[in-house]
Amino acid sequence: QLQLQESGPGLVRPSETLSLTCTVSGGSISNTYFWGWIRQPPGKGLEWIGSISYSGNTYYYPSLKSRVTITVDTSKNQFSLKLRSVTAADTGIYYCARRQAGHGVDVWGQGTTVSVSS
Amino acid sequence: DIQMTQSPSTLSASVGDRVTITCRASQSISSWLAWYQQKPGKAPKLLIYKASILESGVPSRFSGSGSGTEFTLTISSLQPDDFATYHCQQYNSYSEGFTFGPGTKVDIK
Repeated sequence: QLQLQESGPGLVRPSETLSLTCTVSGGSISNTYFWGWIRQPPGKGLEWIGSISYSGNTYYYPSLKSRVTITVDTSKNQFSLKLRSVTAADTGIYYCARRQAGHGVDVWGQGTTVSVSS
Repeated sequence: DIQMTQSPSTLSASVGDRVTITCRASQSISSWLAWYQQKPGKAPKLLIYKASILESGVPSRFSGSGSGTEFTLTISSLQPDDFATYHCQQYNSYSEGFTFGPGTKVDIK
C-alpha cells in the first residue's frame, strides 16, 4: 500500500526558505501520477500549493507561484517543496499527496506542522 | 482564480438524518470536483471525485451530484463516524490551481 511521509524543520524564521521532503514508499514515484503539496493554516481550510508530474512538469497555485519550487528525485523516490521568503501567514500543517489525472487526491501524508517565527 | 464556496459552514444533525452540503464554483468547472472528509488531527480522505464517482471503499450512503458551478454532497443516513468536516475541491484547470472550499463542519445536534 502506497504511503507518503513528510519530513523537514518544524520551525522556520521569517524571510527564510521552508524546505520539506515527501518520501514515497510501497510504490514508485515514476508511475503516471501527480505529486503535490497542500497546506492548512491553523483552524482554517485547505490550500493547494502545487504539484509535479512524474515527468517533471510543475503546476503552482497562482498566488504562490513566485515563491514555490517543487522538484522530484526519482532515484530516492522523493519529491520536495521549497517556499521562499516565508511569513507568519505560511504557518500551518503541510501535507504531501498523490493525485491521478481526472481524479481527486487519493493518497495523503500524515502532515507536518511548520511554524514561521523568529 | 476559481473561488469555491460551501454552505452551510456548520451543520448540526442527528444519527440517521439525511444531510446535504452545497459547493459552488465562481465559474464553470464541468464535473471536475472532489469531496473530502477530514477528522480532527487527521489528513483528509477522498470520498467522491468527478462530482459523482464514489472512491473505492467509501460507504454507499455518500453520494455526489452536480455539474458546472453547483454541486452537492449527500449523506443518506448520518452515522456516528460521519461527524467531521467536509471539503470540496475543484480541479478544472492546472493554471488556475486546484482550489478548495472553506469546509462544512457536521456536528452532533
